[in-house]
Amino acid sequence: AQSVTQLGSHVSVSEGALVLLRCNYSSSVPPYLFWYVQYPNQGLQLLLKYTTGATLVKGINGFEAEFKKSETSFHLTKPSAHMSDAAEYFCAVSRYSSASKIIFGSGTRLSIRP
Amino acid sequence: DTEVTQTPKHLVMGMTNKKSLKCEQHMGHRAMYWYKQKAKKPPELMFVYSYEKLSINESVPSRFSPECPNSSLLNLHLHALQPEDSALYLCASSQHPQTGDFTEAFFGQGTRLTVV
Repeated sequence: AQSVTQLGSHVSVSEGALVLLRCNYSSSVPPYLFWYVQYPNQGLQLLLKYTTGATLVKGINGFEAEFKKSETSFHLTKPSAHMSDAAEYFCAVSRYSSASKIIFGSGTRLSIRP
Repeated sequence: DTEVTQTPKHLVMGMTNKKSLKCEQHMGHRAMYWYKQKAKKPPELMFVYSYEKLSINESVPSRFSPECPNSSLLNLHLHALQPEDSALYLCASSQHPQTGDFTEAFFGQGTRLTVV
């Protein structure tokens, strides 16, 4: 079975500060990992994805994540937070042979302080 | 075009009404999904269609009835809903492993459903 755990339901940082959102996964096979962002009353937008290859993945809006197999982690970072980054962030896991099962973590709400 | 379009954006319905949610994609994806999302919760998978056939039903009550008329369209028929069914309903699509690399699901903007 696959699952993801997001540590911290709410993270607050100052504008310009480092953003770090934590995600740990559990999978018996090599996973596909994703970070999605959701703005209020909107759908989900893909920030970045890890499938195979390079473990440091760059996404949109300056976000990046690193797949660390030894730590079963896929943390999301951004060097400098912007007010527009305030949103809900979901880590998700799937695997190639079961594309239908995209499992989401519980989500982390990111707030940005002026 | 990497867009999944859902209509309507908002829907208010009574418990005796019958309504339908619609979803459309033109990316050639052969896997389509319905998710339900309650406030401050992650999306929960309801149904998956693979090549226009229902492949997964996550024990969803029969008052929700999905339909996939063709490879671009996905409907969710609603009948005799309860107030607790009020939620954001999200449609998504993705490449199917048999036709191309599965990478990610593309989501629509959702339908905000209120049952009164």
